[in-house]
Amino acid sequence: EPEVTQTPSHQVTQMGQEVILRCVPISNHLYFYWYRQILGQKVEFLVSFYNNEISEKSEIFDDQFSVERPDGSNFTLKIRSTKLEDSAMYFCASSEESFWGRDEKLLFGSGTQLSVL
Amino acid sequence: AQSVTQPDIHITVSEGASLELRCNYSYGATPYLFWYVQSPGQGLQLLLKYFSGDTLVQGIKGFEAEFKRSQSSFNLRKPSVHWSDAAEYFCAVGGRDSGYALNFGKGTSLLVTP
Repeated sequence: EPEVTQTPSHQVTQMGQEVILRCVPISNHLYFYWYRQILGQKVEFLVSFYNNEISEKSEIFDDQFSVERPDGSNFTLKIRSTKLEDSAMYFCASSEESFWGRDEKLLFGSGTQLSVL
Repeated sequence: AQSVTQPDIHITVSEGASLELRCNYSYGATPYLFWYVQSPGQGLQLLLKYFSGDTLVQGIKGFEAEFKRSQSSFNLRKPSVHWSDAAEYFCAVGGRDSGYALNFGKGTSLLVTP
């Protein structure tokens, strides 16, 4: 089965630095998402992206966050100035269509563990 | 507001024993319910989802889940657990009313003993 690929698997950064988390969604998918999981807490929705624009975002996704699909294959999450509380596992996901359809799947990558020091 | 509760943080079962992981949800409209599994170093893998229709849903790896609207539950079951089932299990809820966002529970960590 095709996979969503995320790089790097682990990123360490200093507080205040910019980070870019990278994802390669499945090639024929049209919808892209970022979720995150702070240690010990639940997986939380950040943002969805379709047709080169944000379709939905959560309260977490403030002005420090941005997403981009710079080419036909990559989907990135940028945190402009990292804070300690941004430390989390960040998951990228993609789906072919809106995944509420019976046969649709939302497929996740293995995550990037971001550590802000 | 929608929410998901997984009451058990950790569960330990013996290999070959049956398994039930609990999930309770709160959702104002017709829920779409999901179970995901995460093995160490792996992404979230979809085990099964409830869309509509038959309330007993079959998934991959021998798992099944039953949607009980009256109890607002979507418990995951497996009749005989294998050591490779040791992982973190997440229940999630969403629906057309919630846009594209899935609301996850905190997860249940499954340990399988010999």
